[in-house]
Amino acid sequence: AQKITQTQPGMFVQEKEAVTLDCTYDTSDQSYGLFWYKQPSSGEMIFLIYQGSYDEQNATEGRYSLNFQKARKSANLVISASQLGDSAMYFCAMREDTGRRALTFGSGTRLQVQP
Amino acid sequence: DAGVIQSPRHEVTEMGQEVTLRCKPISGHNSLFWYRQTMMRGLELLIYFNNNVPIDDSGMPEDRFSAKMPNASFSTLKIQPSEPRDSAVYFCASSPRAGVWTETQYFGPGTRLLVL
Repeated sequence: AQKITQTQPGMFVQEKEAVTLDCTYDTSDQSYGLFWYKQPSSGEMIFLIYQGSYDEQNATEGRYSLNFQKARKSANLVISASQLGDSAMYFCAMREDTGRRALTFGSGTRLQVQP
Repeated sequence: DAGVIQSPRHEVTEMGQEVTLRCKPISGHNSLFWYRQTMMRGLELLIYFNNNVPIDDSGMPEDRFSAKMPNASFSTLKIQPSEPRDSAVYFCASSPRAGVWTETQYFGPGTRLLVL
């Protein structure tokens, strides 16, 4: 079974609008971390935001927020006020407390922001 | 502060040649990870080190791949002999504390490898 599922291969959003990128995960661990990374066309992987499994509040970092619904095992990324520079691939990843203890990545969502 | 440094940024080689990729983690970080990114398989972990010790190399494709971390500030990933199917982007990442699931991993810029 896939540990991280991103069901949206591609998304379009108008500049200045908000967009939600979906991520669901599968784990039997109680302790785990969820991460979102951005990969622009230049290729680097940029860390955006983190949510721990015990965190009661949704994480926020500037225009990025993480909509964490533990019971549903979802960790959606919300980008507010989209900018042209937000056009990139976005990866959801999980790190569990047991097992390999390295990041497991989803397949990514390509976001295109239109002017 | 400098981020994770990888070299070379691009490598083109011929099948059968030895390839060595290099990584310098962020100073003070105790965990180092090597990932590979391909269109077919996405991002996958190859190997990771905690405090310079290899912990999990189950993602290393085969014996042609080897990785070392002789000290806290340097790691290499070697492919010998290289094959066209090894063409990919290879990322090195580091995180501050060894074996802690909450720690963020910071990625280097990647090495884009093309094996002809």
